[in-house]
Amino acid sequence: DVKVTQSSRYLVKRTGEKVFLECVQDMDHENMFWYRQDPGLGLRLIYFSYDVKMKEKGDIPEGYSVSREKKERFSLILESASTNQTSMYLCASRRGGETDTQYFGPGTRLTVL
Amino acid sequence: AQTVTQSQPEMSVQEAETVTLSCTYDTSENNYYLFWYKQPPSRQMILVIRQEAYKQQNATENRFSVNFQKAAKSFSLKISDSQLGDTAMYFCAFRANAGKSTFGDGTTLTVKP
Repeated sequence: DVKVTQSSRYLVKRTGEKVFLECVQDMDHENMFWYRQDPGLGLRLIYFSYDVKMKEKGDIPEGYSVSREKKERFSLILESASTNQTSMYLCASRRGGETDTQYFGPGTRLTVL
Repeated sequence: AQTVTQSQPEMSVQEAETVTLSCTYDTSENNYYLFWYKQPPSRQMILVIRQEAYKQQNATENRFSVNFQKAAKSFSLKISDSQLGDTAMYFCAFRANAGKSTFGDGTTLTVKP
Protein backbone atom coordinates (compact mmCIF):
# COMPACT_ATOMS: atom_id res chain seq x y z
CA ASP A 1 0.00 0.00 0.00
CA VAL A 2 1.09 3.53 -0.73
CA LYS A 3 1.82 5.48 2.37
CA VAL A 4 1.92 9.24 2.61
CA THR A 5 2.79 10.61 6.02
CA GLN A 6 2.82 14.12 7.39
CA SER A 7 4.98 15.20 10.28
CA SER A 8 2.19 16.49 12.52
CA ARG A 9 -1.57 16.04 12.78
CA TYR A 10 -2.01 19.23 14.80
CA LEU A 11 0.24 22.26 15.04
CA VAL A 12 -0.13 25.57 16.84
CA LYS A 13 2.17 28.45 15.95
CA ARG A 14 2.36 32.16 16.59
CA THR A 15 2.12 34.93 14.05
CA GLY A 16 5.47 35.61 12.45
CA GLU A 17 6.97 32.20 13.17
CA LYS A 18 8.58 30.16 10.42
CA VAL A 19 6.68 26.91 10.00
CA PHE A 20 7.78 23.70 8.32
CA LEU A 21 5.32 21.03 7.26
CA GLU A 22 6.90 17.79 6.16
CA CYS A 23 5.49 15.13 3.86
CA VAL A 24 7.03 11.76 3.05
CA GLN A 25 5.85 9.11 0.59
CA ASP A 26 7.23 5.62 0.30
CA MET A 27 6.25 4.59 -3.23
CA ASP A 28 8.81 6.38 -5.36
CA HIS A 29 6.19 8.73 -6.80
CA GLU A 30 7.42 11.48 -9.11
CA ASN A 31 4.73 14.01 -8.31
CA MET A 32 3.97 15.56 -4.94
CA PHE A 33 1.44 18.22 -4.00
CA TRP A 34 0.51 20.55 -1.18
CA TYR A 35 -3.11 21.65 -0.77
CA ARG A 36 -4.96 23.62 1.80
CA GLN A 37 -8.52 22.69 2.67
CA ASP A 38 -10.95 25.28 4.01
CA PRO A 39 -14.70 24.93 4.58
CA GLY A 40 -16.65 25.87 1.49
CA LEU A 41 -13.51 26.28 -0.61
CA GLY A 42 -12.59 22.67 -1.25
CA LEU A 43 -8.97 21.83 -1.91
CA ARG A 44 -6.76 24.54 -3.31
CA LEU A 45 -3.34 23.75 -4.70
CA ILE A 46 -0.46 25.65 -3.14
CA TYR A 47 2.57 24.11 -4.85
CA PHE A 48 3.48 20.91 -6.60
CA SER A 49 6.64 19.17 -7.67
CA TYR A 50 7.13 16.72 -10.52
CA ASP A 51 10.74 15.86 -9.74
CA VAL A 52 13.51 16.41 -7.24
CA LYS A 53 14.42 20.09 -6.96
CA MET A 54 11.57 20.99 -9.33
CA LYS A 55 8.58 22.99 -8.19
CA GLU A 56 5.60 24.71 -9.74
CA LYS A 57 3.25 27.27 -8.26
CA GLY A 58 -0.30 26.20 -7.77
CA ASP A 59 -3.33 28.42 -7.42
CA ILE A 60 -2.49 30.06 -4.09
CA PRO A 61 1.32 30.14 -3.61
CA GLU A 62 1.52 33.52 -1.88
CA GLY A 63 3.05 33.28 1.59
CA TYR A 64 4.39 29.78 1.00
CA SER A 65 7.50 28.13 -0.37
CA VAL A 66 8.47 24.50 -0.86
CA SER A 67 11.50 22.30 -0.93
CA ARG A 68 12.11 18.94 -2.54
CA GLU A 69 15.67 17.80 -2.00
CA LYS A 70 14.83 14.09 -2.08
CA LYS A 71 12.25 12.26 -4.13
CA GLU A 72 10.32 10.96 -1.14
CA ARG A 73 10.11 14.24 0.80
CA PHE A 74 8.24 17.44 0.02
CA SER A 75 8.28 20.28 2.53
CA LEU A 76 5.94 23.23 2.77
CA ILE A 77 7.36 26.35 4.39
CA LEU A 78 5.47 29.30 5.80
CA GLU A 79 8.16 31.96 5.99
CA SER A 80 6.21 34.17 8.39
CA ALA A 81 2.99 32.58 9.55
CA SER A 82 -0.14 34.69 9.59
CA THR A 83 -3.59 34.04 11.06
CA ASN A 84 -5.12 33.66 7.59
CA GLN A 85 -2.92 30.61 7.08
CA THR A 86 -4.83 28.75 9.76
CA SER A 87 -6.11 25.76 7.80
CA MET A 88 -5.93 22.05 7.12
CA TYR A 89 -2.93 21.21 4.94
CA LEU A 90 -2.98 18.07 2.83
CA CYS A 91 -0.04 16.50 1.09
CA ALA A 92 -0.51 14.11 -1.82
CA SER A 93 1.68 12.11 -4.14
CA ARG A 94 1.13 10.48 -7.52
CA ARG A 95 3.06 8.49 -10.05
CA GLY A 96 3.71 10.28 -13.33
CA GLY A 97 1.13 8.56 -15.55
CA GLU A 98 -2.00 10.21 -16.86
CA THR A 99 -4.49 8.00 -15.11
CA ASP A 100 -2.66 7.60 -11.85
CA THR A 101 -4.43 8.24 -8.58
CA GLN A 102 -3.37 10.79 -6.02
CA TYR A 103 -2.67 9.39 -2.57
CA PHE A 104 -3.23 11.72 0.32
CA GLY A 105 -1.63 12.11 3.71
CA PRO A 106 -3.71 12.42 6.89
CA GLY A 107 -3.44 16.20 6.94
CA THR A 108 -1.98 18.76 9.32
CA ARG A 109 -4.37 21.11 11.07
CA LEU A 110 -2.39 24.30 11.56
CA THR A 111 -3.57 27.04 13.88
CA VAL A 112 -1.76 30.36 13.81
CA LEU A 113 -2.44 32.54 16.83
CA ALA B 1 -8.80 27.29 -16.62
CA GLN B 2 -10.84 24.34 -15.52
CA THR B 3 -13.56 24.67 -12.91
CA VAL B 4 -15.40 21.99 -10.97
CA THR B 5 -18.76 22.67 -9.34
CA GLN B 6 -20.50 20.59 -6.71
CA SER B 7 -23.85 22.23 -6.19
CA GLN B 8 -24.86 20.25 -3.09
CA PRO B 9 -22.90 21.30 0.01
CA GLU B 10 -24.72 18.77 2.17
CA MET B 11 -26.84 15.69 1.58
CA SER B 12 -28.30 12.94 3.66
CA VAL B 13 -29.65 9.49 2.90
CA GLN B 14 -31.18 6.64 4.84
CA GLU B 15 -29.12 3.54 5.28
CA ALA B 16 -29.65 1.03 2.42
CA GLU B 17 -31.06 3.66 0.08
CA THR B 18 -29.47 5.18 -3.02
CA VAL B 19 -28.06 8.68 -3.28
CA THR B 20 -26.60 10.67 -6.17
CA LEU B 21 -24.03 13.42 -5.78
CA SER B 22 -23.73 15.87 -8.63
CA CYS B 23 -20.66 17.38 -10.23
CA THR B 24 -20.27 19.57 -13.28
CA TYR B 25 -17.08 20.89 -14.80
CA ASP B 26 -15.94 23.28 -17.43
CA THR B 27 -13.03 22.66 -19.76
CA SER B 28 -11.91 23.11 -23.32
CA GLU B 29 -9.82 19.95 -23.19
CA ASN B 30 -10.92 16.85 -25.04
CA ASN B 31 -8.85 14.29 -23.15
CA TYR B 32 -9.11 14.36 -19.39
CA TYR B 33 -9.83 12.32 -16.29
CA LEU B 34 -12.46 12.65 -13.61
CA PHE B 35 -12.31 11.38 -10.06
CA TRP B 36 -14.43 11.08 -6.97
CA TYR B 37 -12.57 11.12 -3.65
CA LYS B 38 -13.96 10.35 -0.22
CA GLN B 39 -12.77 11.98 3.00
CA PRO B 40 -14.26 10.28 6.08
CA PRO B 41 -14.36 12.30 9.31
CA SER B 42 -10.80 12.65 10.67
CA ARG B 43 -9.46 10.17 8.15
CA GLN B 44 -7.40 10.27 4.99
CA MET B 45 -8.87 11.08 1.63
CA ILE B 46 -9.09 8.10 -0.68
CA LEU B 47 -10.08 7.51 -4.27
CA VAL B 48 -13.59 6.15 -4.80
CA ILE B 49 -13.80 5.93 -8.56
CA ARG B 50 -12.32 7.42 -11.73
CA GLN B 51 -13.40 7.87 -15.33
CA GLU B 52 -11.38 8.46 -18.47
CA ALA B 53 -13.15 10.94 -20.75
CA TYR B 54 -12.43 8.90 -23.88
CA LYS B 55 -14.35 5.94 -22.45
CA GLN B 56 -18.07 5.98 -23.11
CA GLN B 57 -18.84 3.29 -20.58
CA ASN B 58 -19.57 4.56 -17.09
CA ALA B 59 -17.15 3.39 -14.41
CA THR B 60 -18.40 1.21 -11.56
CA GLU B 61 -16.76 0.04 -8.34
CA ASN B 62 -19.02 -2.24 -6.32
CA ARG B 63 -21.78 0.00 -4.87
CA PHE B 64 -20.34 3.13 -6.49
CA SER B 65 -21.05 4.11 -10.07
CA VAL B 66 -20.89 7.27 -12.13
CA ASN B 67 -23.10 8.84 -14.73
CA PHE B 68 -20.69 10.54 -17.10
CA GLN B 69 -22.26 12.87 -19.65
CA LYS B 70 -19.40 14.33 -21.66
CA ALA B 71 -21.47 16.69 -23.78
CA ALA B 72 -23.17 18.10 -20.70
CA LYS B 73 -19.88 18.08 -18.75
CA SER B 74 -21.55 16.25 -15.92
CA PHE B 75 -20.06 13.57 -13.69
CA SER B 76 -22.40 12.39 -10.93
CA LEU B 77 -21.68 9.71 -8.34
CA LYS B 78 -24.33 7.18 -7.38
CA ILE B 79 -24.00 5.26 -4.14
CA SER B 80 -26.28 2.25 -3.90
CA ASP B 81 -27.25 0.45 -0.70
CA SER B 82 -25.77 3.27 1.40
CA GLN B 83 -23.89 2.22 4.51
CA LEU B 84 -23.04 4.14 7.67
CA GLY B 85 -19.39 4.00 6.64
CA ASP B 86 -20.20 6.04 3.54
CA THR B 87 -20.64 9.10 5.74
CA ALA B 88 -17.91 11.43 4.51
CA MET B 89 -17.12 14.48 2.45
CA TYR B 90 -16.97 13.66 -1.24
CA PHE B 91 -14.87 15.64 -3.69
CA CYS B 92 -15.14 15.62 -7.45
CA ALA B 93 -11.87 16.28 -9.26
CA PHE B 94 -10.76 16.95 -12.83
CA ARG B 95 -7.37 16.43 -14.40
CA ALA B 96 -6.23 16.97 -17.97
CA ASN B 97 -3.43 14.61 -19.02
CA ALA B 98 -0.63 14.41 -16.43
CA GLY B 99 -1.16 17.88 -15.06
CA LYS B 100 -2.51 19.16 -11.80
CA SER B 101 -5.99 18.38 -10.53
CA THR B 102 -8.84 20.78 -9.87
CA PHE B 103 -11.21 19.91 -7.03
CA GLY B 104 -14.77 20.91 -6.31
CA ASP B 105 -15.81 22.37 -2.97
CA GLY B 106 -17.07 19.03 -1.69
CA THR B 107 -20.38 17.51 -0.64
CA THR B 108 -20.87 16.35 2.93
CA LEU B 109 -22.89 13.15 2.90
CA THR B 110 -24.53 11.80 6.03
CA VAL B 111 -25.94 8.30 6.06
CA LYS B 112 -28.66 7.98 8.68
CA PRO B 113 -29.47 4.70 10.43
